[in-house]
Amino acid sequence: QITLKESGPTLVKPTQTLTLTCSVSGLSVSRSGTGVGWIRQPPGNALQWLAFIYWDDTRRFTPSLTDRLAITRDTSKNQVVLTLTNVAPVDTGTYYCAHSNGDGYFTYWGPGTLVTVSS
Amino acid sequence: SYVLTQAPSLSLAPGRTATITCGASDISNKMVHWYQHKPGQAPVLVIFSDDVRPSGVPGRLSGSKSGTTATLTIRSVEAGDEADYYCQVWDTGGDHVVFGGGTKLTVL
Repeated sequence: QITLKESGPTLVKPTQTLTLTCSVSGLSVSRSGTGVGWIRQPPGNALQWLAFIYWDDTRRFTPSLTDRLAITRDTSKNQVVLTLTNVAPVDTGTYYCAHSNGDGYFTYWGPGTLVTVSS
Repeated sequence: SYVLTQAPSLSLAPGRTATITCGASDISNKMVHWYQHKPGQAPVLVIFSDDVRPSGVPGRLSGSKSGTTATLTIRSVEAGDEADYYCQVWDTGGDHVVFGGGTKLTVL
């Protein structure tokens, strides 16, 4: 059974750095050709893709947030970590991690984690 | 940046056919994927590579593409189909993932 699960803080203060972890089970984040992405949904708004990391550590970021985002893999823990620096209230939303087999779509998703940015 | 255009909402009675569209000028050159997203749940892939249904997705759902528009069709809609539906492509030019703005399907 393949599962993904996001974890991290539920409340973050403005200007702080948000760190979220995606724990993957049932498949390896090192499997050739595959990757893990992060997608968020602000309240009342559409899904927004944030970042993607391939099995070979190639990284891609949404253009508007490139300067604030980082994504890494921890192969020993089979996890993918997303960091977003200098957060603001507009970064409030539900953050999802999702797995891709490399065919351009996301087959497996985590349940999501709600992050609120507020002082 | 690459933009996928979706109508924000669609309402129809049970048993009717829902047609949800996703437009972009060069969408014919890209594979289009569709997700169903219900409140409080993770998105679910319902169509990939334009017209392929993952196992477990009802045959009432189908995907197609023509010209500048990709379409998700849901025949005989029922209450359980109420959700937001998003199209998605991988913009190979910039190696970015792009989601459409989503269409909220309401079954009256």
